[in-house]
Amino acid sequence: EPEVTQTPSHQVTQMGQEVILRCVPISNHLYFYWYRQILGQKVEFLVSFYNNEISEKSEIFDDQFSVERPDGSNFTLKIRSTKLEDSAMYFCASDRGSSGANVLTFGAGSRLTVL
Amino acid sequence: DAKTTQPNSMESNEEEPVHLPCNHSTISGTDYIHWYRQLPSQGPEYVIHGLTSNVNNRMASLAIAEDRKSSTLILHRATLRDAAVYYCILRDRGFGNEKLTFGTGTRLTIIP
Repeated sequence: EPEVTQTPSHQVTQMGQEVILRCVPISNHLYFYWYRQILGQKVEFLVSFYNNEISEKSEIFDDQFSVERPDGSNFTLKIRSTKLEDSAMYFCASDRGSSGANVLTFGAGSRLTVL
Repeated sequence: DAKTTQPNSMESNEEEPVHLPCNHSTISGTDYIHWYRQLPSQGPEYVIHGLTSNVNNRMASLAIAEDRKSSTLILHRATLRDAAVYYCILRDRGFGNEKLTFGTGTRLTIIP
């Protein structure tokens, strides 16, 4: 069964450092997403991406965050200057289409710890 | 996004059926009902979805009320591996309604 792959599985960084989280979505999927989950809290939407541009972003996704699809396979989330409150699990997801008939496939997540 | 209401937690005995309810009284005619689950320390995982008719797949069944204001996810024979948080989410069938909005879900505990 096709899967979404995320790297690294765990990253520890110092506050103020830049972090890039990487995702390889399912190959024939067109829509890409990042979500995050702070320990013990809900899964929160960050951003959706289609046709090489952001289609929607949440209030959490401020100027410190950016996304990119640098080639035909990777989808990355960059946090420019990490804060303590950025510590969370980050999940990438992909979708063949964006209608309600379609479903998202999520990766296993990247755990980010900011010290 | 239309809102769903689920119990915070449920328990069930291993090898017995589990019925997880979801209320969505403000559902629109174009909303699909999706169920995802999140096993401990893993990403959300798709379980099942439907629009009007009941649906079955290898993981579960989805029973949708005739007025579509509620639905029930049925796990026919729960195993320990089914212990997870289950999310009931509405997603409009129109294109451009992309994101899923997760609530707090139902934490299902399976008793051996």
